Amino acid sequence: EIVLTQSPGTLSLSPGERATLSCRASQSVSSSYLAWYQQKPGQAPRLLIYGASSRATGIPDRFSGSGSGTDFTLTISRLEPEDFAVYYCQLYDSSPRAYTFGQGTKLEIK
Amino acid sequence: EVQLLQSGGDLVQPGGSLRLSCAASGFSFSSYAMNWVRQAPGKGLEWVSATSSSGSGTYYSDSVKGRFTVSRDNSKNTLYLQMNSLRAEDTAVYYCAKTMGTWYFFDYWGQGTLVTVSS
Repeated sequence: EIVLTQSPGTLSLSPGERATLSCRASQSVSSSYLAWYQQKPGQAPRLLIYGASSRATGIPDRFSGSGSGTDFTLTISRLEPEDFAVYYCQLYDSSPRAYTFGQGTKLEIK
Repeated sequence: EVQLLQSGGDLVQPGGSLRLSCAASGFSFSSYAMNWVRQAPGKGLEWVSATSSSGSGTYYSDSVKGRFTVSRDNSKNTLYLQMNSLRAEDTAVYYCAKTMGTWYFFDYWGQGTLVTVSS
């Protein structure tokens, strides 16, 4: 079973700053199977990035994803007040069919 | 507009059963695989189960295998999760989620429904 480890656990930044969130897989994975989600308190998660680097419909271009192999990154170029939330990476495994989430990174206002 | 409207969450005793529902609209329900994902209070996301577009393929996490059953009624555009032999550790908000065209990601989510297992 592949484990996804996100870092840092909590990231404290100010609006306007750049945020860099990391997701590391316990073994090499296909970037096609890696996604990022945003979750705000009391809300369902929202798909931000899929295939490691493709933005989902309606996602602002300040959100970008990159990476390959075992190391993936979500970057928010310039933080807006509404971006402070918890972010999860997610991996699809085809054999057997299953999905794994990282433990999350909380992005909080400094 | 894609909508996933969930119902069925409740307080249930350990060992009890519960069925969750997820009514879909705004897309061709029978064309997409569907999933259940849960989130224990204050914790992260955990995938629970998936079903293929026809319902012929079903998949489960090890934590619920043998106790939970996913099903769908494409004539009613509704996804179900039958939960039996419930345990305290099953307490969570349960979300239904639609996969994208591929199986890989969840592009739309329901609002979530709380299941509490406690005596």
